[in-house]
Amino acid sequence: GAGVSQSPSNKVTEKGKDVELRCDPISGHTALYWYRQSLGQGLEFLIYFQGNSAPDKSGLPSDRFSAERTGGSVSTLTIQRTQQEDSAVYLCASSSLQGMNTEAFFGQGTRLTVV
Amino acid sequence: EDQVTQSPEALRLQEGESSSLNCSYTVSGLRGLFWYRQDPGKGPEFLFTLYSAGEEKEKERLKATLTKKESFLHITAPKPEDSATYLCAVQAWMDSSYKLIFGSGTRLLVRP
Repeated sequence: GAGVSQSPSNKVTEKGKDVELRCDPISGHTALYWYRQSLGQGLEFLIYFQGNSAPDKSGLPSDRFSAERTGGSVSTLTIQRTQQEDSAVYLCASSSLQGMNTEAFFGQGTRLTVV
Repeated sequence: EDQVTQSPEALRLQEGESSSLNCSYTVSGLRGLFWYRQDPGKGPEFLFTLYSAGEEKEKERLKATLTKKESFLHITAPKPEDSATYLCAVQAWMDSSYKLIFGSGTRLLVRP
């Protein structure tokens, strides 16, 4: 596609429910990043994919968080048993990492509210 | 410890008052330094990539420069529409993966 697409744009869920957030990267981009941004805060790294593998999961805050990427394209971030502190904007970015084209492009994010 | 530090945290300017934002980094294996603009409620918008010390990039009223330890984003004669949060990120190859490390950003407000 023309840009990184994330869905849903907004999600309100009850505490304790599971949620799935989706990221469609730019076609051909091999690298995919997930970040979390709380209100007024900076970007908190969650996980990085290179192709379908995740060489860096160091940012996942707990075992309630998991992510997968299939076919080297779409990625899903799953949060199980959501807590109120999970409320934030979840941002996805992709990068080609080909030659000098290493910049990452972001989607518009999914705003998650846990009530 | 690899990190990226941006200063100031917030900056208020009058329209037309030029200034600079700073991004200092301590990262080994640097592959690139990126500047982004983020408006409230939106994802970061890519502005510039810098790869080597001495490199400069320009876009309208913005100019980004890079040294071995820091980058500056110069804003010349800013307008109110330049108000946003400006984020700096460093990409580095380490621990067999590409790290993309962000600073905490500078919130810029340009008053008419």
